[in-house]
Amino acid sequence: AQKVTQAQTEISVVEKEDVTLDCVYETRDTTYYLFWYKQPPSGELVFLIRRNSFDEQNEISGRYSWNFQKSTSSFNFTITASQVVDSAVYFCALSEAANRDDKIIFGKGTRLHILP
Amino acid sequence: NAGVTQTPKFQVLKTGQSMTLQCAQDMNHEYMSWYRQDPGMGLRLIHYSVGAGITDQGEVPNGYNVSRSTTEDFPLRLLSAAPSQTSVYFCASSYEWVGGNEQFFGPGTRLTVL
Repeated sequence: AQKVTQAQTEISVVEKEDVTLDCVYETRDTTYYLFWYKQPPSGELVFLIRRNSFDEQNEISGRYSWNFQKSTSSFNFTITASQVVDSAVYFCALSEAANRDDKIIFGKGTRLHILP
Repeated sequence: NAGVTQTPKFQVLKTGQSMTLQCAQDMNHEYMSWYRQDPGMGLRLIHYSVGAGITDQGEVPNGYNVSRSTTEDFPLRLLSAAPSQTSVYFCASSYEWVGGNEQFFGPGTRLTVL
């Protein structure tokens, strides 16, 4: 069965600090997809990234970077030089490809506070 | 494009009442889904649809019904509301199979059941 664990319920950092949000997943499939979504205080959910299980290259997008390590079943998200606008709840999610069962499982989220 | 729209934004029901949460998308997406978000629980899948006429249960389907008569619309029906259904409900859509595509979410419906 698939499972996503975001052990950090809430994190607070001071603006300009770097912060890493952890995501650990469980799956029996060899082919799967991992996602990160952002939910700012306004409440909408915004897609950040999708990564398939065959692509272990780290991704960087501006101040955001993602570290995918199959050996530890982790897909961690780092914000460099954090800003107040990064304050949000961040969700990691997993979808298994076997049988294309069309379900995506979300972690419980990490609430990130960036303090000015 | 309006994207994914949901109505109403807020709703208060009494226990036992029924209602329908509306969801529509104008992106010609095949896949649509409903989630509920509760504090500390993340997003949990209620029902989903891979195309018009096809629906299936997610993680927490009890107490909810769905139908998909058109590609655009995916309403969620609460048959007999219970306080445990107090939650924020999100509708989402994606081009096709959710594993390979990002989902676009609606703004959410905040439902309170008294």
